This record gives sequence, C-alpha cells and structure tokens, in this order.
Amino acid sequence: HSALTQPASVSGSPGQSITISCTGTSSDVGVYNYVSWYQHHPGKAPKLMIYDDSKRPSGISDRFSGSKSGNTASLTISGLQAEDEADYFCSSYTTSSTLYVFGTGTKVTVL
Amino acid sequence: QVQLQESGPRLVKPSETLSLTCTVSGGSISSNYWSWIRQPPGKGLEWIGYLYYTGNAYYSPSLKSRVTISVDSSKNQFSLNLSSVTAADTAVYYCAMVRAMTNSFDHWGQGTPVTVSS
Repeated sequence: HSALTQPASVSGSPGQSITISCTGTSSDVGVYNYVSWYQHHPGKAPKLMIYDDSKRPSGISDRFSGSKSGNTASLTISGLQAEDEADYFCSSYTTSSTLYVFGTGTKVTVL
Repeated sequence: QVQLQESGPRLVKPSETLSLTCTVSGGSISSNYWSWIRQPPGKGLEWIGYLYYTGNAYYSPSLKSRVTISVDSSKNQFSLNLSSVTAADTAVYYCAMVRAMTNSFDHWGQGTPVTVSS
C-alpha cells in the first residue's frame, strides 16, 4: 500500500494560517472517516492532534483543525506560533490488509 | 496520562532476532489495542502490527512471516520480535496505543533506533 502524499515543507509567519495536505486514494483517505494527524518534535513522542478526520483530542488547541474532501485530507494551523514548528504526518485506515498507511511527512517552519 | 517507553538492544546482527519491549505507565494494558510502527532512515512510517490485550494479534502482510507481538499483562508490557533481520530492518521503532473506537494512535513512545549490522 503506497504512502499518503504530503508536501515536504510548509512555512508561515507567526499569526498566519497554514494548511498541510494529505493525498491518498479511494482505498484509504477517501473511503473511511479515519484520517489522523500527528505532531512530531524530533526526539520526542509523536502527538495525536486530529482523529476521525476532524476531531480534536482533549487538550489540543482549537488552532488545529482537520478537514477532508474526496481523497485529500487537510490539517490547518491557525494563529501560527513558534512552538508549532515541528514535523507533521497524517495516517489513514485502509481497505487493504496493511490496515494503516502513513503520510510522507511535512516539516513546518515558523519564519 | 498514559506513557509508553520502548527498550531493547540498539544493535542486532543480520539473520538474528530483533526484540523490543514497550512498557506502559499511567494506565492499564488490559484494554485497547497496542501497536508497533517503524521508520527506516529517510523513509516514511510503516505499520508493523497490533495486538489486543487478550493476545490476539494482527500483522502487516509484508512482515507477517517474521513478526510476533505479545503481551505481558503482569508487567504492563508488550513486545515485538522480528526474526531473520537484514539491513532493511534498520529503523526507529515506535510503540503506540490505538485510540478506542477510532483508528488513530493516541499515545506513542519516543522511539528507539535499531541498527542491523554485523
């Protein structure tokens, strides 16, 4: 099962909004409401930011939002802050026997 | 707050078995699904498999013939065994908890790097 496609990097200034895309197929992103997003500061444990396409776990800032259209999911970070600088990756449940597929990862830089 | 910590050898010889343990703290392993995920250098994340605390496991087809994931409820730990390793198994290995009723990974360990080399 092929990896989900994300842009390698996205940048923005403090206070701005950025959007990271996650493109899959009708066998993963497009078929279930099971896209999740993770924030990963190198050397630390990845952190769940969004699950079930657009739901936020308790304690996650509402500056983070998820959406989906067809085979492409998106993570939007509004009011960008220095602490948001990290790697972000998406994941989706799939119809294949592999069950889970991950995105290629996006490095977010706060200018 | 549930926390996970991977432990095990960081260097494994080719053809031998890679063995890692994930210790769960702040919560009981006797619920939810528990998973292993890896990331080879310069590559994306790869799901290895998961198990339920009862011991029922499911593995990625690409690794199924070499993987065993098991649980030790008395120690609140679960383990990964990957046999007949090659250099292609060199990766950072993560353990994670599957969030109930979703297909997302709620809590992760920091990851442990494992190198396969003689």
